[in-house]
Amino acid sequence: DAKTTQPNSMESNEEEPVHLPCNHSTISGTDYIHWYRQLPSQGPEYVIHGLTSNVNNRMASLAIAEDRKSSTLILHRATLRDAAVYYCILREFYGQNFVFGPGTRLSVLP
Amino acid sequence: DTGVSQDPRHKITKRGQNVTFRCDPISEHNRLYWYRQTLGQGPEFLTYFQNEAQLEKSRLLSDRFSAERPKGSFSTLEIQRTEQGDSAMYLCASSSGAFNEKLFFGSGTQLSVL
Repeated sequence: DAKTTQPNSMESNEEEPVHLPCNHSTISGTDYIHWYRQLPSQGPEYVIHGLTSNVNNRMASLAIAEDRKSSTLILHRATLRDAAVYYCILREFYGQNFVFGPGTRLSVLP
Repeated sequence: DTGVSQDPRHKITKRGQNVTFRCDPISEHNRLYWYRQTLGQGPEFLTYFQNEAQLEKSRLLSDRFSAERPKGSFSTLEIQRTEQGDSAMYLCASSSGAFNEKLFFGSGTQLSVL
């Protein structure tokens, strides 16, 4: 699986938008971009995924660069419950396992 | 849908003892994954099953580790002759195995080897 690069940590103020970047310069044409997050003392949970087009769901939006070498997870209004480690993962269509990196630890300040 | 269940939540053992963890996936999910996570790191893949068949094992899974999924339902992960380096959170996840599957994780089993 191709590698991703994320900042180790980020901070945000409550109720403000948060943009979490991910670089994946070696992405291949069949790699999907997945985002998971891990709240304290819990297993990771699915957030969103996409291939080429921007994606929206009730949790977040995923903005994918035109060359697909980077993407950004957007939380439109951060809440204290969004404080977590966010993982950006590349996975081939019908790939085998999901390869997690160290992720970005997001702190949300009241 | 009761989610992925793992048992026990915590396990403390002495070095050299054997331990076994259990994972009950979401019913009808045919894929089951085991991951290990140490403090400050992302989850590391250990192995996964498609129904009862173990299809991939990481080189992290030494011969002291064995996983089973009899009848394609629950799974067990056994660690023999535990070492202090085995101390970690052991996470189980299940998925439907469909196109662009989503992983559903349990809360994990925290192992401490003294």
